[in-house]
Amino acid sequence: DSGVTQTPKHLITATGQRVTLRCSPRSGDLSVYWYQQSLDQGLQFLIQYYNGEERAKGNILERFSAQQFPDLHSELNLSSLELGDSALYFCASSVESLNTEAFFGQGTRLTVV
Amino acid sequence: AQKITQTQPGMFVQEKEAVTLDCTYDTSDPSYGLFWYKQPSSGEMIFLIYQGSYDQQNATEGRYSLNFQKARKSANLVISASQLGDSAMYFCAMREGGDTGRRALTFGSGTRLQVQP
Repeated sequence: DSGVTQTPKHLITATGQRVTLRCSPRSGDLSVYWYQQSLDQGLQFLIQYYNGEERAKGNILERFSAQQFPDLHSELNLSSLELGDSALYFCASSVESLNTEAFFGQGTRLTVV
Repeated sequence: AQKITQTQPGMFVQEKEAVTLDCTYDTSDPSYGLFWYKQPSSGEMIFLIYQGSYDQQNATEGRYSLNFQKARKSANLVISASQLGDSAMYFCAMREGGDTGRRALTFGSGTRLQVQP
């Protein structure tokens, strides 16, 4: 158990809809990262939050947004969903240090139909 | 340019033998960290081993060791005495230290390892 909790584990929704993925980081970790894993794009970094503030952006679409709340949990909002958004979405957390690993949640498998 | 390159999409190894998974990286930052993660078919990402750019010795963690060749910018994972449970996808990743604001990992495309009995 990594200590990072993601809900839900699975999500099936229709094109055009909006969903919210939730992540609770490991106790004490201030940084939360969101990643998307798809067959054609591999593991792509989407966005990072640190102690409630957006810290870095990766390949995140404008239809996607995220936030980190005062209790450090984070949510990733995906809107106007397309078939190509079907993927495994990971949340990871870490301390703010170069030489420590990021701990990953179990992921949310999103299927857009 | 790819920051992390894993050139072996798939590998086979016999149980109890050793296997090397290749990883090359590209960075101009003198301070960086290299990580290996395992992703079994169940999907979770499991941290295996870490190597820092300033580390003088190769990292080892149980049956895992990292063959770090800084001049060649390679960080190959060596798994000794392979077990059936080692069958999984393996990802090499890098975290760069220059921009202290960004600590996200950049991943390679992965290598699928199959251990045969």
